[in-house]
Amino acid sequence: NAGVMQNPRHLVRRRGQEARLRCSPMKGHSHVYWYRQLPEEGLKFMVYLQKENIIDESGMPKERFSAEFPKEGPSILRIQQVVRGDSAAYFCASSPSREVEGYTFGSGTRLTVV
Amino acid sequence: RKEVEQDPGPFNVPEGATVAFNCTYSNSASQSFFWYRQDCRKEPKLLMSVYSSGNEDGRFTAQLNRASQYISLLIRDSKLSDSATYLCVVRILTGGGNKLTFGTGTQLKVEL
Repeated sequence: NAGVMQNPRHLVRRRGQEARLRCSPMKGHSHVYWYRQLPEEGLKFMVYLQKENIIDESGMPKERFSAEFPKEGPSILRIQQVVRGDSAAYFCASSPSREVEGYTFGSGTRLTVV
Repeated sequence: RKEVEQDPGPFNVPEGATVAFNCTYSNSASQSFFWYRQDCRKEPKLLMSVYSSGNEDGRFTAQLNRASQYISLLIRDSKLSDSATYLCVVRILTGGGNKLTFGTGTQLKVEL
């Protein structure tokens, strides 16, 4: 049973380009969470999604960032018009339900904006 | 004030030492508590949940004091492989939400 799969592992984008980060949850998991870790900082919650629904996006920046978790396929975190400050590690986690404690993280995508 | 506060360290200890980490949280609505471990540039991994009665997993003991909003982790007989950053984490279920709030972590270096 594969864990949470994220790709790409590393992503380099020039300022102004778009970044698409993908997260495939563990088999049977319908809840997905995105977190961001800026250099030398702790992980910060971004968004919580279930299939086809955004449940909590209180941690998402107001502009340029969006997330989806379609009925089929991985969850996508999309960052438009990237800036240097978007450089960070983006981690995804999944769980089979909301009540499960301590969910499992994927290995992350390291975004570098040049 | 940060929602979860930890001493960043680093804690440099010799192999075999006992080391304790502390953490405080500000939101009294926090419902679940955890310690995660993060190795350099890797994903955080759940080390253990923390309960008010205290819980132990091998060399690791975690304790929660809800009245003081204080969480601790004790590592006995430290191994070189324990070197990592230890993250104090609280969970809040609000409405439909399910959010983990992380401390910035305490770095542990176990040395020969």
